[in-house]
Amino acid sequence: QSVLTQPPSVPGAPGQRVTISCTGSSSNIGAGYDVHWYQQRPGTAPKLLMYGNNNRPSGVPDRFSGSKSGTSASLAITGLQAEDEADYYCQSYDSSLRGSVFGGGTKLTVL
Amino acid sequence: EVQLVQSGAEVKKPGESLKISCKGSGYSFTSNWIGWVRQMPGKGLEWMGIIYPADSDTRYSPSFQGQVIISTDKSISTAYLQWSSLKASDTAIYYCVRPSTVIRGIILHFEYWGQGTLVTVSS
Repeated sequence: QSVLTQPPSVPGAPGQRVTISCTGSSSNIGAGYDVHWYQQRPGTAPKLLMYGNNNRPSGVPDRFSGSKSGTSASLAITGLQAEDEADYYCQSYDSSLRGSVFGGGTKLTVL
Repeated sequence: EVQLVQSGAEVKKPGESLKISCKGSGYSFTSNWIGWVRQMPGKGLEWMGIIYPADSDTRYSPSFQGQVIISTDKSISTAYLQWSSLKASDTAIYYCVRPSTVIRGIILHFEYWGQGTLVTVSS
């Protein structure tokens, strides 16, 4: 059971917009700690996709955007492409655990 | 260019000890936190702990405290993750990670990742 909750899977058609949610609590996201997102393609290491809630590292397309409100955060992907098919993880800091926490991951399937 | 290069895959028996490594390059190894993330087969990511090489200040996830030891050798810019007695449940890919920064103990995002080390524990 992960501290941050994500939907196990999200489907989407090419060109569509999808969102992936990440729900936490008052000791992590709700306490104001930033949320970060990672993309993991099969057989590869995770890659930083979004940091500080809504900041894209260099090289990440602007089709990806992030937001945070209350105890939740979301990752939105517009203009879905086949190459976006991957697992996506959210991450934050938890003051009760005094450490970093991840969501359980969401498998994005491009139909 | 920042790089984290990890040691190769390991196959061990239950009860054996193991130490895997991660060599950092392209940045000041001593002045940046470095840590480890576990991914069990078909599962998600779990933060294990981090260490500050300059003074060996180490923080562990409660789930991994007492189960593993994180250390560094500053002279060769290398971080280690070690077990004294492996269990089958330690079978996983272990990623070396470098946080962007740690502010007053608060870990921000993991900016850099190693390629991963697969550890298989089986009798």
